[in-house]
Order: sequence, then C-alpha cells, then structure tokens
Amino acid sequence: GESVGLHLPTLSVQEGDNSIINCAYSNSASDYFIWYKQESGKGPQFIIDIRSNMDKRQGQRVTVLLNKTVKHLSLQIAATQPGDSAVYFCAASKAAGNKLTFGGGTRVLVKP
Amino acid sequence: DAGVIQSPRHEVTEMGQEVTLRCKPISGHDYLFWYRQTMMRGLELLIYFNNNVPIDDSGMPEDRFSAKMPNASFSTLKIQPSEPRDSAVYFCASSLTSGRLNEQFFGPGTRLTVL
Repeated sequence: GESVGLHLPTLSVQEGDNSIINCAYSNSASDYFIWYKQESGKGPQFIIDIRSNMDKRQGQRVTVLLNKTVKHLSLQIAATQPGDSAVYFCAASKAAGNKLTFGGGTRVLVKP
Repeated sequence: DAGVIQSPRHEVTEMGQEVTLRCKPISGHDYLFWYRQTMMRGLELLIYFNNNVPIDDSGMPEDRFSAKMPNASFSTLKIQPSEPRDSAVYFCASSLTSGRLNEQFFGPGTRLTVL
C-alpha cells in the first residue's frame, strides 16, 4: 500500500527565516502531491500541489520540490510569519481517482 | 460560497449510543470524502463518494460505521454503537473533478468524544 511520512514532527523557526518541511513517500506510482496547512481548530487547507512530471513549483512565498529518484517532497516557506504557525501535511495520490494518502504532519512554530 | 459545512461541531456521547455526523459539500462538487483525525493515527480516509455513489469504503473501521449520501448536497456518517476509541475529529471534504487536480476543500470538522 501507499504510505507517506514526515521526517520532523516539530519545526521551530524564527520569524523572517525560511522554513523547510520534508516528506517521504513510498509508492513510486504516486503521481500527484499536495501540501496542506492545518491551523488549530480548523480543517486542512490546500497550499500547493505538484505533478510527478515536475520537480519544482512556486506559489506565493511557498515552493514545493519533488525528487522522484529518492521519493522525497519538501515545502519551503520564505520569510516565515507568525500566521504560518500550523501543522503541515503532505499528501499523495495516484493518477486514477481522487484518493489522497496523508502524511503524519509537521508542526511549525514561529518564534517572534 | 460557505464552504463545506459540518454539524454538529462538537458531540459528546456515552458509549453505546448512536452518533450521526452531517456534511454539506460545496455546491457543484462531485466528490465527497470522510476523514478521521487522531493524534495516534493522523488523518485517515474512511470513505469517499463520487456523484453520490460510494467508491471506496476500505477505510471504514468496522461495521459500526456507515456512511450515506442520499443526494448531492448531503452526507451522513453514522456510528452505532459508539465506543470510546471512536473519539476523534471527523472531517468532511469535497472536490470537483474539473477543478485543480485533487484539491479537496475541508470542513471545520466535528470533534466527537465518546465517554
């Protein structure tokens, strides 16, 4: 089966610094990868996605990098702000259907 | 749009009681997902529907859990009888086939506590 996991359960970062959150996946058949942000008391919120035919995609202050060779995914947040404090999940799916498998989550704490 | 709506937001019940969680997906979305989130197991997919038809229920823990989607704007997740280990936050999410690929919009969740 497919499994998606995270390297670090908690990341503490100084406000203004860049954050990097890592994720490993096990199923080489995974075609789509998504990062979600979950704030306390809320449901996960979509941040950015990437297809397996890409190795980098940029959004507003966020960049997702995909290394299919080692089945590794990362999310980079530039100039981390207090509002970025949350739990971040990576998720993966295969080409068929919309079923996502979520990783365990990394908590990001932004220090003022 | 109001987004995905879930009710109740909090539910406290006693072991053995029936619990019904409700979800209204975003209008026009054709996929609906039920997830359970716990500290120990993270975010788990329980079941999902496409055009009101259950597609994959392999994540449903056991026969005590059942889900229905009688129409495109409403779904229920029922636990009967409930047990303390069912305590978790249950999320409903919806997505659109023609939208951003695999982007699921999550509701605020229902926090269930079974005593």
